[in-house]
Amino acid sequence: DVKVTQSSRYLVKRTGEKVFLECVQDMDHENMFWYRQDPGLGLRLIYFSYDVKMKEKGDIPEGYSVSREKKERFSLILESASTNQTSMYLCASSTPALQNEAFFGQGTRLTVV
Amino acid sequence: KNEVEQSPQNLTAQEGEFITINCSYSVGISALHWLQQHPGGGIVSLFMLSSGKKKHGRLIATINIQEKHSSLHITASHPRDSAVYICAVRLIRYGGSQGNLIFGKGTKLSVKP
Repeated sequence: DVKVTQSSRYLVKRTGEKVFLECVQDMDHENMFWYRQDPGLGLRLIYFSYDVKMKEKGDIPEGYSVSREKKERFSLILESASTNQTSMYLCASSTPALQNEAFFGQGTRLTVV
Repeated sequence: KNEVEQSPQNLTAQEGEFITINCSYSVGISALHWLQQHPGGGIVSLFMLSSGKKKHGRLIATINIQEKHSSLHITASHPRDSAVYICAVRLIRYGGSQGNLIFGKGTKLSVKP
């Protein structure tokens, strides 16, 4: 059974804290993605990575950074959490082939207070 | 203008009803995905289509490439089908190693017993 695992289901952090969201996949996928999901806005791409140590900005990268030191792990970092980063965060992975599926993690609901 | 439009946004049905959710897109795509998200967050891929029709149990997905339109049908709906259904397209211009997806805002389905 293929797996994309996010380290936490729920997180509560204080404004200004540095926050790490971890994502691990066991499918040897090259591509990994971080999205945030907000009511009325759907899923929006924050960052993606198509190889180890490679990263590309998505639609809304401001306030975030990422790290991909190993193929199976893609980390999303909130350098200084703010209340407008309260959201559901979803990680996904896929192969580069155009017609291959993307697999999603279970999501992390982050609340910044 | 959203590149992927879903309708309806919200749908309430009685158990046993036939349900249709629609997705229209305005860009060239290599594939279209239908995704299901239950309360709690995790996303599961239901179908990936590039042409024609696919069926899995009570779920049927169709796509008309010329009209840039896809539908997801649920026959004999059941309360356990209650979820958010999301349409996502894989863009041709993001082909190759990026494999980016553009998401619709989702359709929240509630099936009453």
